[in-house]
Amino acid sequence: DIQMTQSPSSLSASVGDRVTITCRASQSISSYLNWYQQKPGKAPKVLIYAASNLQSGVPSRFSGSGSGTDFTLTISSLQPEDFATYYCQQSYSTPPTFGQGTKLEIK
Amino acid sequence: EVQMVESGGGLVPPGGSLRLSCAASGFTFISYWMHWVRQAPGKGLVWVSRINPDGSSTSYAGSVKGRFTISRDNAKNTLYLQMNSLRAEDMAVYYCVSLYSTTWSEYFQHWGQGTLVTVSS
Repeated sequence: DIQMTQSPSSLSASVGDRVTITCRASQSISSYLNWYQQKPGKAPKVLIYAASNLQSGVPSRFSGSGSGTDFTLTISSLQPEDFATYYCQQSYSTPPTFGQGTKLEIK
Repeated sequence: EVQMVESGGGLVPPGGSLRLSCAASGFTFISYWMHWVRQAPGKGLVWVSRINPDGSSTSYAGSVKGRFTISRDNAKNTLYLQMNSLRAEDMAVYYCVSLYSTTWSEYFQHWGQGTLVTVSS
């Protein structure tokens, strides 16, 4: 199974900050990397697919980059509604695997 | 509007069984691979199982293989997960998820609201 490792596991930031979350795969996954946002008590929702493609309806302050084994999710200017947990997920091979999550909290 | 509504969760003793259902609407269910993903309390997301559009091909996580069975009824737009020999470590919210797939991408597009399975005596 491909292991996905996110860093940091938690992050405190302020509204307006630029934030970057990283995700590393245990082997090359090309661009088969997705990012999800999950708020407490809710199901996850996809933000970025295929490493850098913004899902329809997702604000443009979210962006993704990377290929191979190293990927990043960037939020250019944090908004109050962005405080949540973020997960990366590889879809290169079965089983699909998720990172452990990054909890983004208000400073 | 896409809707996926899970049901069937609840309290079950160790060794017991449950059958989860997921009623889908608002999209062409028969065209999609469908998955179950679970999340233990306070923990991350873990893939459980998948089934192809016509139900002829299934896959399972190693931790549930031989105990869980995924199936679907395309006439009823419904996905199922039969869970047997339940263990404490199976306790989680179970999400029904549709997979959006192209030649260059695959991602979990639509998620149900989740149903909680509690395994305890």
